[in-house]
Amino acid sequence: NSKVIQTPRYLVKGQGQKAKMRCIPEKGHPVVFWYQQNKNNEFKFLINFQNQEVLQQIDMTEKRFSAECPSNSPCSLEIQSSEAGDSALYLCASSLGYAEQFFGPGTRLTVL
Amino acid sequence: TQTVSQSDAHVTVFEGDSVELRCNYSYGGSIYLSWYIQHHGRGLQFLLKYYSGNPVVQGVNGFKAEFSKSDSSFHLRKASVHWSDSAVYFCAVSAASNTNKVVFGTGTRLQVLP
Repeated sequence: NSKVIQTPRYLVKGQGQKAKMRCIPEKGHPVVFWYQQNKNNEFKFLINFQNQEVLQQIDMTEKRFSAECPSNSPCSLEIQSSEAGDSALYLCASSLGYAEQFFGPGTRLTVL
Repeated sequence: TQTVSQSDAHVTVFEGDSVELRCNYSYGGSIYLSWYIQHHGRGLQFLLKYYSGNPVVQGVNGFKAEFSKSDSSFHLRKASVHWSDSAVYFCAVSAASNTNKVVFGTGTRLQVLP
């Protein structure tokens, strides 16, 4: 069973507000991923880190999202100015780097 | 670029039936293929993975999947399903040259009726 911890489980924000969620990856896993899963179960990759460095990120993440994975602290994903279209389940996963990923339970964001 | 498709959005079976969930991929090189399960309101849980060797891979809870290079497929099977197997199942593919890029299918919702 996965030991990835995500907080909060539920987050409700108004449009234009900041929304921040956190993730503690499995101990010893150097790679951390953030995904956005919409109501149709479609995954959108947002960003991943190896140790504290960004490996890959999409344009949306560069512009409106900020993310970090500091050493000895939880990883975080923050939406600077929430939009209705950001309502989704945000999943954090960690990996040893061999394709198998361990997921947290997700943070369900609702933007009113 | 690797792609993965799951042709069935929904599959409904009765408890005790066998089931096959279909997954097809496209990529020219060496790949990892995986299956994950997502119960309602929860994160994904890894079921099994194939990279090389025996094309039939055994996973948890009686699931197995078979890799076929000729069909570009990695179908998931279970001989006798239980109501607790009701969930959404995702097939995923990543290139061996970049295992940090994982592409997920759109998922198949399995409903097991009593």
